[in-house]
Amino acid sequence: AQKITQTQPGMFVQEKEAVTLDCTYDTSDQSYGLFWYKQPSSGEMIFLIYQGSYDEQNATEGRYSLNFQKARKSANLVISASQLGDSAMYFCAMSLSGTYKYIFGTGTRLKVLA
Amino acid sequence: EAQVTQNPRYLITVTGKKLTVTCSQNMNHEYMSWYRQDPGLGLRQIYYSMNVEVTDKGDVPEGYKVSRKEKRNFPLILESPSPNQTSLYFCASRGAYGYTFGSGTRLTVV
Repeated sequence: AQKITQTQPGMFVQEKEAVTLDCTYDTSDQSYGLFWYKQPSSGEMIFLIYQGSYDEQNATEGRYSLNFQKARKSANLVISASQLGDSAMYFCAMSLSGTYKYIFGTGTRLKVLA
Repeated sequence: EAQVTQNPRYLITVTGKKLTVTCSQNMNHEYMSWYRQDPGLGLRQIYYSMNVEVTDKGDVPEGYKVSRKEKRNFPLILESPSPNQTSLYFCASRGAYGYTFGSGTRLTVV
């Protein structure tokens, strides 16, 4: 069964430090996409980064990078140089080839400390 | 600006009183979807639509209806809301690299 697992319900990080949010996935499909979204306290869902299953290089968007380890089925989000504005809930999601369905993890709440 | 517009942002209603949450996108996307978000459960898909007049159930469709008469609009209808439908709802439309989400509708059914 397809599944996304985020094992860290909450995390703290000191401002300006890097932090890794864990995400593991389970699918037997060969073609899929992995996404990370940020949800600040205001509630909206903000797209951060995308990784395709056939992409050989890890995706990078500014301070966000996705550490994609296909054999381990992990797609961890790395935030470098954390800022107070990074405090939010973060969701990992997977889309499956041939469908537009997303499967979401349960989220990780990140708190950046000054 | 490319966006998905949901209304209302907040809604408190009573059990059994029919309501509609509107959703509109300006990106000409074919695929649209509704999700509900509950603590500890992440986002779960309610209904989705592949195109005009094409809709299908997601993982938690009970108690909800949708329609897709135009490409840009995808309203969510609760014919007889119950307290277990108290949740945060998101409409989203899918482009080449993923979803664009609306701002969310926080619904409370008392």
